[in-house]
Amino acid sequence: DAGITQSPRHKVTETGTPVTLRCHQTENHRYMYWYRQDPGHGLRLIHYSYGVKDTDKGEVSDGYSVSRSKTEDFLLTLESATSSQTSVYFCAISESQGPSQNQPQHFGDGTRLSIL
Amino acid sequence: KQEVTQIPAALSVPEGENLVLNCSFTDSAIYNLQWFRQDPGKGLTSLLLIQSSQREQTSGRLNASLDKSSGRSTLYIAASQPGDSATYLCAVRLYNTDKLIFGTGTRLQVFP
Repeated sequence: DAGITQSPRHKVTETGTPVTLRCHQTENHRYMYWYRQDPGHGLRLIHYSYGVKDTDKGEVSDGYSVSRSKTEDFLLTLESATSSQTSVYFCAISESQGPSQNQPQHFGDGTRLSIL
Repeated sequence: KQEVTQIPAALSVPEGENLVLNCSFTDSAIYNLQWFRQDPGKGLTSLLLIQSSQREQTSGRLNASLDKSSGRSTLYIAASQPGDSATYLCAVRLYNTDKLIFGTGTRLQVFP
């Protein structure tokens, strides 16, 4: 299994509080991703990173920010959590991308976040 | 906009059956298609990745095919076992992006 650790694994918090989720990898992969998984919607990309301090938005980025100061860590922050952000959040990593490099994405075990 | 559909949403079969899971996508401009398995409360495990130039990939009892022109992929599971019970997801990587678009999955139960 790819060395991906998400923390915390479970969190319950209140509306309006800031929340930070951490993804840590030991594979030295360049690409890292944050997804959320909701019933009826499947997995949707929030943000991704293609290198240290290089990030870009996914399809559901509103209300989220990310940071990547080191290769191994990718942080997802909810500045002011809302109930609509209750979800399961997954981090994924990939060695490389590009038309000649078809590398699979590998996923962590997820963080279950409940906003009350 | 790329849409990925998986049919059926749920499937229950007796042990030993060969079965086929379906994935369809609306835009054929893809780099690759990936099949994943997800166990309850767990993350996704990559099973097979088919590049856009390939027709199929095999791993053990699993065989995935890709027909890009018709926007379809199938995952064939031979001689199913109770340990195969899980949700199976397909995802396409869009051309010229780093993004995966996922289907909503097929929940498979294999009973003894």
